Amino acid sequence: DIQMTQSPSSVSASVGDRVTITCRASQAISTWLAWYQQKPGKAPNLLIYDARTLESGVPSRFSGSGSGTDFTLTISSLQPEDFATYYCQQANSLTFGGGTKVEIK
Amino acid sequence: EVQLVESGGGLVRPGGSLRLSCAASGFSFSDYDMIWVRQAPGKGLEGVALITSGGDYIYHVESVRGRFTISRDSAKNSLYLQMNGLRDEDTAVYYCARDKEGDSNLYYLDYWGQGTLVTVSS
Repeated sequence: DIQMTQSPSSVSASVGDRVTITCRASQAISTWLAWYQQKPGKAPNLLIYDARTLESGVPSRFSGSGSGTDFTLTISSLQPEDFATYYCQQANSLTFGGGTKVEIK
Repeated sequence: EVQLVESGGGLVRPGGSLRLSCAASGFSFSDYDMIWVRQAPGKGLEGVALITSGGDYIYHVESVRGRFTISRDSAKNSLYLQMNGLRDEDTAVYYCARDKEGDSNLYYLDYWGQGTLVTVSS
């Protein structure tokens, strides 16, 4: 089975900062990758699919890149509502990364 | 408006059974693959099972294979997860989710329910 590894597991940042989260697949998965945001006590929310396509309604400060084994989620200017946990997911299976918690610095 | 509403969670003893339901509305349920995802307290997300739109392909993650069974009833717009032989490690919030792609073998989960808590404890 393909494993998904996210780094870092947590990051402290301030409003306005640029934040980058990395997801690495144990085997090449083309661009078959999604990113989700989850806030405490809530269901996850799809942000990006096909590695770089923004889901409808998601702010443009979120962007995704990568293909093969290495992927990145970037928040260009962190907003107060962006403090949450982010997960990557390999799209042709149900495998998720371990999550990255974005905390207030 | 797309809605997914889970029910059926609760407290159960190890070795016991539960059946989770997910009532879908606001979209053509029979056209979409559906997935169950769980999240243990304080932990990350784990995909548990999926069923294709026509029910012709079913997958269960290895940790639940042989104990859990996903099914659907398109006449009732409902998704189910029959859970037998429950273990302590099955304690989690269980979410049902819709695959936005419809009929591909890529699973992007665009709508999620609010989740139902399953607690396995003696």
